Amino acid sequence: DADVTQTPRNRITKTGKRIMLECSQTKGHDRMYWYRQDPGLGLRLIYYSFDVKDINKGEISDGYSVSRQAQAKFSLSLESAIPNQTALYFCATSDSGTDYGYTFGSGTRLTIV
Amino acid sequence: TQLLEQSPQFLSIQEGENLTVYCNSSSVFSSLQWYRQEPGEGPVLLVTVVTGGEVKKLKRLTFQFGDARKDSSLHITAAQPGDTGLYLCAGAGGTASKLTFGTGTRLQVTL
Repeated sequence: DADVTQTPRNRITKTGKRIMLECSQTKGHDRMYWYRQDPGLGLRLIYYSFDVKDINKGEISDGYSVSRQAQAKFSLSLESAIPNQTALYFCATSDSGTDYGYTFGSGTRLTIV
Repeated sequence: TQLLEQSPQFLSIQEGENLTVYCNSSSVFSSLQWYRQEPGEGPVLLVTVVTGGEVKKLKRLTFQFGDARKDSSLHITAAQPGDTGLYLCAGAGGTASKLTFGTGTRLQVTL
């Protein structure tokens, strides 16, 4: 099994729908992150969590919400999806301190029509 | 906001050639990481550099952290088709201790 598992891998949904992307990890890391990747814009941080009771907004959190259900689970929700949220979404984990590398999931390709 | 600019954005070379990819910022980072991402997958960590002026080698890949810890380079010797992918640099700094990613360099190595 992968260290960081994202579901679904692909999703097409309609404008205005609520959608949840899920992430689970077996690394035992405290820190979890949600990024979106768009061509030419790189990876941009949406939300991050340093432990179960800690949730922080990233640089592009508008239109998104998250839930840290357990140390191993971090979900991302789009409350009312819009077409410009079409992107590749990645979940990542890390140990404490940024000298430790991030472990990424394989991503969710989300298309809003 | 800390920004990391990578150059070139795209690079297409033939097998056996050498290349260098650059990662630049006006901000100081406590450490800098390089990742490689292949289509359909998430980025995978290649290396972390921590000390200004540090050089690390990973087989045919050589990573250098600038003396002022604002920039980094990745040099690949005798590129192979397996080196094809998106190369991302990421800097750590600031009180939140989270990574800021560069925009990436897409490398294609052909036979």
